[in-house]
Amino acid sequence: DTAVSQTPKYLVTQMGNDKSIKCEQNLGHDTMYWYKQDSKKFLKIMFSYNNKELIINETVPNRFSPKSPDKAHLNLHINSLELGDSAVYFCASSQDRFSGGPSETQYFGPGTRLLVL
Amino acid sequence: AQTVTQSQPEMSVQEAETVTLSCTYDTSESDYYLFWYKQPPSRQMILVIRQEAYKQQNATENRFSVNFQKAAKSFSLKISDSQLGDAAMYFCAYRSYSGAGSYQLTFGKGTKLSVIP
Repeated sequence: DTAVSQTPKYLVTQMGNDKSIKCEQNLGHDTMYWYKQDSKKFLKIMFSYNNKELIINETVPNRFSPKSPDKAHLNLHINSLELGDSAVYFCASSQDRFSGGPSETQYFGPGTRLLVL
Repeated sequence: AQTVTQSQPEMSVQEAETVTLSCTYDTSESDYYLFWYKQPPSRQMILVIRQEAYKQQNATENRFSVNFQKAAKSFSLKISDSQLGDAAMYFCAYRSYSGAGSYQLTFGKGTKLSVIP
């Protein structure tokens, strides 16, 4: 069974479009994350979401918005896509510190490669 | 803010030999976690090894071990008996608290390891 899954794996779209990437984890974790990996392979945190509290990296444009319908899902919505949004987006999850002790490891999904034309 | 530096963009090793990847970090915290993740061409982020800062003993996982020097803020990864499947990007990461029970990973820029048959 896949622990952290993402759909789609690949996403090709036109500039200006709105798109979503879905993430699901079956690990029972309380905290989920989105990371962006740019063309130089640099990974950077975008959001962390825990018990309905969102921590946002201040460098992330407000065109990006995470949506969590329940604890097992954290979807990423992107409005008005730009060329610079082309990257690989990773979802991750971990156990938070208030639920019986922190799990120090974040488990990653397989990534979604987004290409904006 | 924490920073993580991997000074070797690329390295190569002969199959069956040993290679060491370096990582240094900057922090004012006394208790934290450090990780090495492997990213093969499949793009999946795979945990290789983790180290708790309050533990003086270096972590070991089969052929992978770390040399953790807390005072020097150094966290190098040693791969023994290198195998072709070890070829990948290796990322060093520091876990820091981002608020509301969430932790974020700060990554280095990665080291691309090639294994020569």
